[in-house]
Amino acid sequence: EVQLVESGGGLVQPGGSLRLSCAASGFTVSSNYMSWVRQAPGKGLEWVSVIYSGGSTYYADSVKGRFTISRHNSKNTLYLQMNSLRAEDTAVYYCARDTIFGVVSDWGQGTLVTVSS
Amino acid sequence: DIQMTQSPSSLSASVGDRVTITCQASQDISNYLNWYQQKPGKAPKLLIYDASNLETGVPSRFSGSGSGTDFTFTISSLQPEDIATYYCQQYDNLPTFGPGTKVDIK
Repeated sequence: EVQLVESGGGLVQPGGSLRLSCAASGFTVSSNYMSWVRQAPGKGLEWVSVIYSGGSTYYADSVKGRFTISRHNSKNTLYLQMNSLRAEDTAVYYCARDTIFGVVSDWGQGTLVTVSS
Repeated sequence: DIQMTQSPSSLSASVGDRVTITCQASQDISNYLNWYQQKPGKAPKLLIYDASNLETGVPSRFSGSGSGTDFTFTISSLQPEDIATYYCQQYDNLPTFGPGTKVDIK
């Protein structure tokens, strides 16, 4: 059974940093397209980033240059390093597995990131 | 960026009603279009991929159609458990989601 469990969310001040983790089970992270999708409180879904099985990475314009997606193959874990955080980054962040890039078949339960002073 | 619009933004219908949601892309996306269901406090769930393919395990009352820029999502007979927000999402380029359609029971 596929499972994705996010952790690392919390309250951070504007300009601060946070690293989200997503522990996967039931499949191999490095063999799949893995994404982060976020949802601001009461708002819609926003795609954030993807890492391909081959290692290529892509980002939404809203986070490019501030966020970095990565993975640890032996830990079967996905990460999202978030720097220079802004109030508008406040959201629930979902870790996701794509069957093919862009088709999200499996989602974690989400972790809340709040950027506030 | 490819922009996605959805209509209506919300709707109320009776159990057993046919419900239709439309989604429009700002440019031709072929059939690179998915539909997701999100219930309150839960992660989204993939219902339809490639515009018209039903994800495994999803009830057949859900369906999708369209290509190019105009797409339709249909619930043939609305059930109480279908109360949710529905999102379209394109993946012809970097993925973008529509703003969502909230479906309630009348």
